[in-house]
Amino acid sequence: QVQLVESGGGVVQPGRSLRLSCAASGFIFSSYGMNWVRQAPGKGLEWVAVIWNDGSKKLYADSVKGRFTISRDNSKNTLYLQMDGLRAEDTALYYCARDPPVGAVVRKDFDHWGQGTLVTVSS
Amino acid sequence: QSVLTQPPSASGTPGQRVTISCSGSSSNIGNNIVSWFQQITGTAPKLLIYSDNQRPSGVPDRFSGSKSGTSASLAISGLQSEDEADYYCAAWDDSLDGWGFGGGTKLTVL
Repeated sequence: QVQLVESGGGVVQPGRSLRLSCAASGFIFSSYGMNWVRQAPGKGLEWVAVIWNDGSKKLYADSVKGRFTISRDNSKNTLYLQMDGLRAEDTALYYCARDPPVGAVVRKDFDHWGQGTLVTVSS
Repeated sequence: QSVLTQPPSASGTPGQRVTISCSGSSSNIGNNIVSWFQQITGTAPKLLIYSDNQRPSGVPDRFSGSKSGTSASLAISGLQSEDEADYYCAAWDDSLDGWGFGGGTKLTVL
């Protein structure tokens, strides 16, 4: 079965960096685009970034553009989010979520989610 | 604020039918498909509706989605206590070149 497991969260000071990972299993990782979505405590969902299945295209929310970098290693079935210049407002539970496969006729966007990893930015 | 607009709360009694709205614009709902997600407290979101009105396998047919112009709706019929959750709509936004989510609607089953 499809499984997405995030890791790498923790407490970090403002201005510092953190790298999140999302280990995927149960599907052909290299055929799917992947997203990061975050949820601040008590708040709603906010899309962060998406990466195409082959890493050829990456898009970001304006709130993280220039500070966060999404990447993937298809040989390791792993998605990453490098977060630099962290701010208090980046404090959130970070989820990875799967896109439809390449060439999908019917789009089931965000059809599987991990359980999330918590990032707390505080001095 | 959120790209898509949802009412912050909704409620109903067991057996009732409730509807949750999601309002957007021509750059998102008006030109792209809508998805709906259910998030029970303390758990990850779950895909409830995709491509405006399609249910993934395992989602009861009590849940249905619709879209008209720049607005979408999620309807839940035969409300049950386990439906108590937060519900989010989402659509790609061509102007933002990214995904937009609604602010979420907290559904209470009275």
